[in-house]
Amino acid sequence: QSVLTQPPSVSGTPGQRVSISCSGSSSNIGTNAVNWYQQIPGTAPKLLIYSNTQRPSGVPDRFSGSKSGTSASLAIGGLQSEDEADYYCATWDDSLNGPVFGGGAKLTVL
Amino acid sequence: EVQLVQSGAEVRMAGESLRISCKGSGYSFTTYWIGWVRQMPGKGLDWVGIINSGDSETRYSPSFEGQVLISVDKSINTAYLHWGTLRASDTAMYYCARVRKTGAKPVGSWDFWGQGTLVTVST
Repeated sequence: QSVLTQPPSVSGTPGQRVSISCSGSSSNIGTNAVNWYQQIPGTAPKLLIYSNTQRPSGVPDRFSGSKSGTSASLAIGGLQSEDEADYYCATWDDSLNGPVFGGGAKLTVL
Repeated sequence: EVQLVQSGAEVRMAGESLRISCKGSGYSFTTYWIGWVRQMPGKGLDWVGIINSGDSETRYSPSFEGQVLISVDKSINTAYLHWGTLRASDTAMYYCARVRKTGAKPVGSWDFWGQGTLVTVST
């Protein structure tokens, strides 16, 4: 049971916009910045969004993040087949005094 | 170019010990923390622990406290994850990553990742 709650799966068709939610609590998302990671099967996770809304260099602007209260969301616009991957949200938890990860959401491009 | 390079896949018997490594390059190694996560087959990311590469301050997930040891040798820019007694349930992929700080706390993003080390433990 992960501290951060994500839907196990989401899907969309090419060109569509999808969003992935991440729900937490006051000790984690409510207090600290949220980061998102993309993991293509068979590869290491990659930082996709940091500090709630920021994209590292090289990440397309089709990817965007937002946060409100104790929830965060990752949006992917103009869906492409190469976006098929697992997406994880993560943040720091002040009660745990350590990082926490969501359970991951598997994105399928139909 | 920032890189984290992990040691190769390992196969061990239950009860044996093991140490895997994570070597950083392309940045000031001692100014960042290094984090470790476990990924069991077909599952998500589980936080194992983190270490301050500068002063070796270490924090462990309650799920892994007492089961593993994290250390660092800053003279060779390398962090380690060590098991004293392996179990079959330790079979997984283990990733290290560079952890950004906010002030002195390692609360930032994990911005560069190693390629992973597959650990297989047989009974």
